Amino acid sequence: NAGVTQTPKFQVLKTGQSMTLQCAQDMNHNSMYWYRQDPGMGLRLIYYSASEGTTDKGEVPNGYNVSRLNKREFSLRLESAAPSQTSVYFCASSETYTGTGNTIYFGEGSWLTVV
Amino acid sequence: AQSVAQPEDQVNVAEGNPLTVKCTYSVSGNPYLFWYVQYPNRGLQFLLKYITGDNLVKGSYGFEAEFNKSQTSFHLKKPSALVSDSALYFCAVRDIRQAGTALIFGKGTTLSVSS
Repeated sequence: NAGVTQTPKFQVLKTGQSMTLQCAQDMNHNSMYWYRQDPGMGLRLIYYSASEGTTDKGEVPNGYNVSRLNKREFSLRLESAAPSQTSVYFCASSETYTGTGNTIYFGEGSWLTVV
Repeated sequence: AQSVAQPEDQVNVAEGNPLTVKCTYSVSGNPYLFWYVQYPNRGLQFLLKYITGDNLVKGSYGFEAEFNKSQTSFHLKKPSALVSDSALYFCAVRDIRQAGTALIFGKGTTLSVSS
């Protein structure tokens, strides 16, 4: 039961470097999300993809780009990493975006440190 | 705009005692409400949700939550706490009428159960 799988789990970047966080789900969900978690701030939505072929900005999109590669995969890219992007990143998915009470299922997280 | 508040950063309880983790919400219409738990260095795990129907919702690991519309609350409860319940708990809300919005998470409450 893989669910939502994201890689890498840990990464250290230098300021200005770029990297891509990969995410895949095997639940045949239509909607996928990227959240970041910071101490005392809960989870904040970065980007989401309501369905294959669409992506939209969430609450904190600046400095990030996303690609919905296919129904299973949704990647998050940091083009020029900044220390403020040091965080824990979670990929998640749900059956639909607008469906009644859809439960969102989370991956195990990616710990990113920008030095 | 929808929002959710968890007024306590930390809740301490002795093993075997009942526990309550508080959550209040604000939405313009009727809410969908969720509780998630996060163990150290892990992703968020779904505990339970309120969509409609009975105000008392039962979930995983013996947890339950009571929806109170007049007080706009959705407190998480368990009759007898276990040391293994120690974790970070998140309440989340979504406005039924705002189909184009994702879940909004509270900042989290750390539950510490002592033996």
